[in-house]
Amino acid sequence: EVQLVESGGGLVRPGRSLRLSCEGSGFNFDEYAIQWVRQPPGKGLEWVSGIDWNSRSIAYADSVKGRFNISRDNARVYLQMNGLRSEDTALYYCAKTTGLSLYYSLDVWGQGTTVTVSS
Amino acid sequence: IVVTQSPATLSVSPGERATLSCRASQSIASNLAWYQQRPGQAPRLLISGASTRATGTPDRFSGSGYGTEFTLTISSLQSEDFGVYYCQQYNKWPPGTFGQGTKVEIK
Repeated sequence: EVQLVESGGGLVRPGRSLRLSCEGSGFNFDEYAIQWVRQPPGKGLEWVSGIDWNSRSIAYADSVKGRFNISRDNARVYLQMNGLRSEDTALYYCAKTTGLSLYYSLDVWGQGTTVTVSS
Repeated sequence: IVVTQSPATLSVSPGERATLSCRASQSIASNLAWYQQRPGQAPRLLISGASTRATGTPDRFSGSGYGTEFTLTISSLQSEDFGVYYCQQYNKWPPGTFGQGTKVEIK
């Protein structure tokens, strides 16, 4: 079964850091780009960041640029989140693209991991 | 690039037709996807390439459009179709811009 599983979420104080992890199974992880998408409570989807198959193309939303860092290693993609703010509170999904680059649709999604930023 | 969906909410009776719209601020060719999100669930890919149904998408769902104007049509709404629908462009930077969603609710 093709699957993505996120982990690493939790409750954190403003200004602190968290590292999210996304583990893939059931497919050749190295052949696909992976994206992070978040959903604040009761709101819509917001694209956060993406990394292509060989880590040569990386993108960030303006809202997280300079604070978040995406990387990949083996069958995992990581999202290092620094300088967290209350507006980063959301359910974070990782999703697999249908191709090598970032410019594809997202055909497999994890169930998400919750990040809550609060003092 | 900005992606705008309309309407924000669509009230439809089971068995009726539903038409959802998505507009991009710049031409994105056919690089548009539609996702369905049911309450408490992760989004699910319905359509990519503006009109190609994903594996498992029922044929009552159809997508159309090119450039800046796109439409998702559900020909005869079933109870499991109620939820929120998002379009997403993957042609321009940044590579994953979503619309704000259209909630399809029971009339």
